[in-house]
Amino acid sequence: KAGVTQTPRYLIKTRGQQVTLSCSPISGHRSVSWYQQTPGQGLQFLFEYFSETQRNKGNFPGRFSGRQFSNSRSEMNVSTLELGDSALYLCASSLTLSGSGSTDTQYFGPGTRLTVL
Amino acid sequence: GQQLNQSPQSMFIQEGEDVSMNCTSSSIFNTWLWYKQDPGEGPVLLIALYKAGELTSNGRLTAQFGITRKDSFLNISASIPSDVGIYFCAGQRGNAGKSTFGDGTTLTVKP
Repeated sequence: KAGVTQTPRYLIKTRGQQVTLSCSPISGHRSVSWYQQTPGQGLQFLFEYFSETQRNKGNFPGRFSGRQFSNSRSEMNVSTLELGDSALYLCASSLTLSGSGSTDTQYFGPGTRLTVL
Repeated sequence: GQQLNQSPQSMFIQEGEDVSMNCTSSSIFNTWLWYKQDPGEGPVLLIALYKAGELTSNGRLTAQFGITRKDSFLNISASIPSDVGIYFCAGQRGNAGKSTFGDGTTLTVKP
């Protein structure tokens, strides 16, 4: 079974631009979460989507948004890029959304490395 | 900020040695996960723990879910050079999207 895939793997943008990142979850997984990873802040939760609806949101400004499609694929968008948005953006998928147990275990993609100049 | 305290922050060991790292929290978690991340890649799941007291092995890796549900440890036996990387613990409280991660343990193995 194919793992979580993310495109593109690398991206260079300039301040003020916007960017869209894509994530395809493991087949059958319906929950997709996004994380930002930086050396200073570690892994920070952005948001989670399930059945095309945002179910949870982390503590990030409104410039960060996302959506999920009917096939569970997800995109996240960052508008008006700032230098501090440079990071590795990770997508993780799991079978289900709520409850505890093995169906909630998250599997990560390889990430998209975003550099803002 | 992070709610998990992961230690040690880094380890430098000789090939063949055993390694131990742990995570503690002031909050209870329902699930503990251990991931390994190589440079430029996403975290790869090593071991998942779902019950307090559970002890699970995956090859040379062994992890335990603390009885209090506030801690977990990961042991690596007979380390090899490919064990090099950053190891993260993560806790879940029943909602997968709100995994809380430790700051990671960077492992260096000298041949």
